[in-house]
Amino acid sequence: QKEVEQNSGPLSVPEGAIASLNCTYSDRGSQSFFWYRQYSGKSPELIMSIYSNGDKEDGRFTAQLNKASQYVSLLIRDSQPSDSATYLCAVTGGSEKLVFGKGTKLTVNP
Amino acid sequence: ETGVTQTPRHLVMGMTNKKSLKCEQHLGHNAMYWYKQSAKKPLELMFVYSLEERVENNSVPSRFSPECPNSSHLFLHLHTLQPEDSALYLCASSQDGIPRQTDNEQFFGPGTRLTVL
Repeated sequence: QKEVEQNSGPLSVPEGAIASLNCTYSDRGSQSFFWYRQYSGKSPELIMSIYSNGDKEDGRFTAQLNKASQYVSLLIRDSQPSDSATYLCAVTGGSEKLVFGKGTKLTVNP
Repeated sequence: ETGVTQTPRHLVMGMTNKKSLKCEQHLGHNAMYWYKQSAKKPLELMFVYSLEERVENNSVPSRFSPECPNSSHLFLHLHTLQPEDSALYLCASSQDGIPRQTDNEQFFGPGTRLTVL
């Protein structure tokens, strides 16, 4: 059973701080890694994808991948109240399906 | 219309009813997916269609029946559901149905909130 683990939170950070979201996965053969943001009552929205070890930056978001440790993270710099949502980590490999974690709920306090 | 659309957005049905959920993607993708999202559980993949052919059936009960008439449309036919089937049903699409180490991200529709009484 391929699994994706996330701390369910809630993770609470003050406005302007860095929010750090973490995800581990069990399938060492995983190749593609995604972060989705889901606001309450809404559908998941893709915010980052990463395929190789290292960092990938997009605006205030940085995804970090370490395949040796089977670990992927998402950093949100200068957190805003509008970043308050549940963040879903999703992992896939080869011809396997996309496997989602349960998500981490982030609250950014003004 | 852009992206992935789903209708209806909300559905309440009895256990003896028959209803259908509709999904349409306007992204030119070749793969479409049905997911179920229940409270406090990860997103669960139900079905995958690639080029209108079902490539994955993730042990879903037969009371859920998918249909993909073309690469832009996907249906989920529902009959004799149970209260535990109440959930958010999400449709997604991607360029193709084979995840690989290139851009093949899945894009989600707004979902149908289903309540089974």
